[in-house]
Amino acid sequence: SAVISQKPSRDICQRGTSLTIQCQVDSQVTMMFWYRQQPGQSLTLIATANQGSEATYESGFVIDKFPISRPNLTFSTLTVSNMSPEDSSIYLCSVVGAGLNTGELFFGEGSRLTVL
Amino acid sequence: QKEVEQDPGPLSVPEGAIVSLNCTYSNSAFQYFMWYRQYSRKGPELLMYTYSSGNKEDGRFTAQVDKSSKYISLFIRDSQPSDSATYLCAMARAAGNKLTFGGGTRVLVKP
Repeated sequence: SAVISQKPSRDICQRGTSLTIQCQVDSQVTMMFWYRQQPGQSLTLIATANQGSEATYESGFVIDKFPISRPNLTFSTLTVSNMSPEDSSIYLCSVVGAGLNTGELFFGEGSRLTVL
Repeated sequence: QKEVEQDPGPLSVPEGAIVSLNCTYSNSAFQYFMWYRQYSRKGPELLMYTYSSGNKEDGRFTAQVDKSSKYISLFIRDSQPSDSATYLCAMARAAGNKLTFGGGTRVLVKP
């Protein structure tokens, strides 16, 4: 399996600010995704991070609120913009890679954000 | 109705018992099925991955898929307190496609 590192692992943020989460993978991967897990809830896909092009967002998520970058095959960032308490969640980076069993999806440890 | 339904639990069993978990789904297009284990304050860890119908065994874990009934199961034999976690089922229409998750079942194995 790929080793996926996320930074920060946790943060406490003020309402109205923005925070960028980084995801670094130890091998080149074809597909990268960003998920959100709200307190006591399951995982919801935010977007697919596409290398070299704009991310593909799921219904209910927009680029202005969650801008995503993916400059290469091992790195991506997710920004949570103009945060409100409702954005308090765990944000998870996940990958499917060329070297991995096709279809298997692996997750990072997550970034736990608390918005005051 | 959610696409994937999973009993939230909690499911409490004594150490050594068999843990039985399941999910039902409504979309017949799902072909790939996964089970994840998530400890508190950790990311989900992939336990089992199966394609289409059938059984798959890995150590103490057995995954079953019944596509005709739209029903998947995970069995944990000889359960240990370290198996206490939330177990999430997930499924996809195609390899590398986005996953749809169940809500997760919290399992507690008591010593």
